[in-house]
Amino acid sequence: DVKVTQSSRYLVKRTGEKVFLECVQDMDHENMFWYRQDPGLGLRLIYFSYDVKMKEKGDIPEGYSVSREKKERFSLILESASTNQTSMYLCASSFLVAYTDTQYFGPGTRLTVL
Amino acid sequence: QKEVEQDPGPLSVPEGAIVSLNCTYSNSAFQYFMWYRQYSRKGPELLMYTYSSGNKEDGRFTAQVDKSSKYISLFIRDSQPSDSATYLCAKGGSGYSTLTFGKGTMLLVSP
Repeated sequence: DVKVTQSSRYLVKRTGEKVFLECVQDMDHENMFWYRQDPGLGLRLIYFSYDVKMKEKGDIPEGYSVSREKKERFSLILESASTNQTSMYLCASSFLVAYTDTQYFGPGTRLTVL
Repeated sequence: QKEVEQDPGPLSVPEGAIVSLNCTYSNSAFQYFMWYRQYSRKGPELLMYTYSSGNKEDGRFTAQVDKSSKYISLFIRDSQPSDSATYLCAKGGSGYSTLTFGKGTMLLVSP
């Protein structure tokens, strides 16, 4: 079974803090994704990566950066957290060349910024 | 117009009912369709995927695609309280490995 793990299930941070969210997958997937999910807005893609050290902006990259130094690990960084970044953050992974582009998700990190 | 539309619900049914969850999409370039189930405070889990028009069955679940109408459906037979979750449809095949998700339909199955 594909396993995608995220470093924290719940996180509380203060405005202005630098926040790191980590994601690890064990299926040798090339692609990794970061989403945020908010009520009424659904899943929105922040960034994705199709290879080590490569990154592509998604629909809402502002206020976020990412790092992919190893194939299995993809980090999301909030340089200076703000209250409007309070959300559920979901990581996913998939094969680069795949029949269906199926993505596999981690359990999510619920981040609260005070 | 959003590329994938879903009614947010909630859809409330009694246990044992047949459930129909639906999505419409606007861009014919997308080829593959997936249904994810998401329990409260958890990540989405893949239920089914399909790429062609017609039906695909897996146990109590049937995914149906009608490309001429740009309509995708998920049917759940003999629904159970454990089916209570949000169901997300998604389409892929854009060539960039990204998926386009609907906002999800919340399903509540009462015992």
